[in-house]
Order: sequence, then structure tokens, then C-alpha cells
Amino acid sequence: SQKIEQNSEALNIQEGKTATLTCNYTNYSPAYLQWYRQDPGRGPVFLLLIRENEKEKRKERLKVTFDTTLKQSLFHITASQPADSATYLCALALGAGANNLFFGTGTRLTVIP
Amino acid sequence: NAGVTQTPKFRILKIGQSMTLQCTQDMNHNYMYWYRQDPGMGLKLIYYSVGAGITDKGEVPNGYNVSRSTTEDFPLRLELAAPSQTSVYFCASSYVRDEQYFGPGTRLTVT
Repeated sequence: SQKIEQNSEALNIQEGKTATLTCNYTNYSPAYLQWYRQDPGRGPVFLLLIRENEKEKRKERLKVTFDTTLKQSLFHITASQPADSATYLCALALGAGANNLFFGTGTRLTVIP
Repeated sequence: NAGVTQTPKFRILKIGQSMTLQCTQDMNHNYMYWYRQDPGMGLKLIYYSVGAGITDKGEVPNGYNVSRSTTEDFPLRLELAAPSQTSVYFCASSYVRDEQYFGPGTRLTVT
């Protein structure tokens, strides 16, 4: 069956360090992958999108990699800050249909001052 | 722009009651979606629409109905509410099939 796994339910990291979150998938061939941030009691907010033919994408302190051989995406936050504390969701889009976006369960990141 | 707005924010329903969750977007997006999010689970797509007058089922459509009479509005109807429908419901929209903009969510409890 198809599965999306995010490395851990929770990740604690010291302020200033680089946080690395993992999204692994099985039995999918995604056309692209997205990362969202979700704060408690709020809707997800889009961060980055990376396509199957791209290896890496950057936006300010954020970096996403996409390895279709390993079936894995890594999401990095450099120079992490307490304000980065949130749940981060990965989502895979499988193809052309609008219904083909599947979300992982998320990793709750806490940045400790 | 208000973005995507949802009403109500919270609601408690008794088993067997029905209700409509409202969703409106002011970004002129063609695509609109309804998701549910249960604790410890990922977002699951209930229904989606690619334009006014066009709707289709997502991964978990049973017990729900939708309509899309305008570009802006995409209400979600629950008929005969069941405890399994206790969840947080998110509406989202997108211009094309990529970056989605989410509303603040509706927390629904069915008892």
C-alpha cells in the first residue's frame, strides 16, 4: 500500500542549529512534493515546492532536497530560531489530477532557546 | 485580501444532525478542496472542485456532499452526523494545481 512517513513525530533542536526533517514514501511516483508549516489551531501554510526533475530548492533559510531513487525528501532549516517551532507537513502530488495530493502526518519541531 | 475564510470556527453536533461548513475565497482561484485532519493523521481529501459547477470525490467522501455554484464559495454538507466525523475540517484553494492556501479550520465534535 502507499505510505508517506515523516521521520519522527517530534524533533527538538537547539537554537542556531540546522533542523533536518525527513519525508519518506513508498509505492508512489510523485510528480512533485510540497512542504507546509502548521501552527497549533491554524491551517497549513505553504513553504516550498520541488518537482521530480529538481534536486534542490532554496528559500531564505529553508532548503528542500528530493531524491526519487531513495524516495525521500529532506527539509532543512538553517540557523533555527524559536519562531520556527511548528509542525511541518510534507505532501506528495502524484499526477495530473487535482485530487492527487497526499499528506504525511507531520513532524513537530521545537527550537529550544 | 481575506484569503480563505471558514465558518463556523467551532461546532458541536448531536448524532444524526446535519450542518453546512462554509468556505469562501477571494483570490479568484479555480481549484478548491475540503480536507479533514484527525489527531496524529495526515490531512485527508474529502472533495475537490476544479471550477464552478464541477466537483469530485477525494479519498474520504462518504457522509459528505459539496456544491460549487460560484468561484468563491465551496460549502461542505454533513448529513446524519456520526461520531466518526469528529475532526478538524480545512478548506483550501489554489490557482493551479500546486501551492494551496488553507483556511483557519472548523473544529467539529459529534456526540
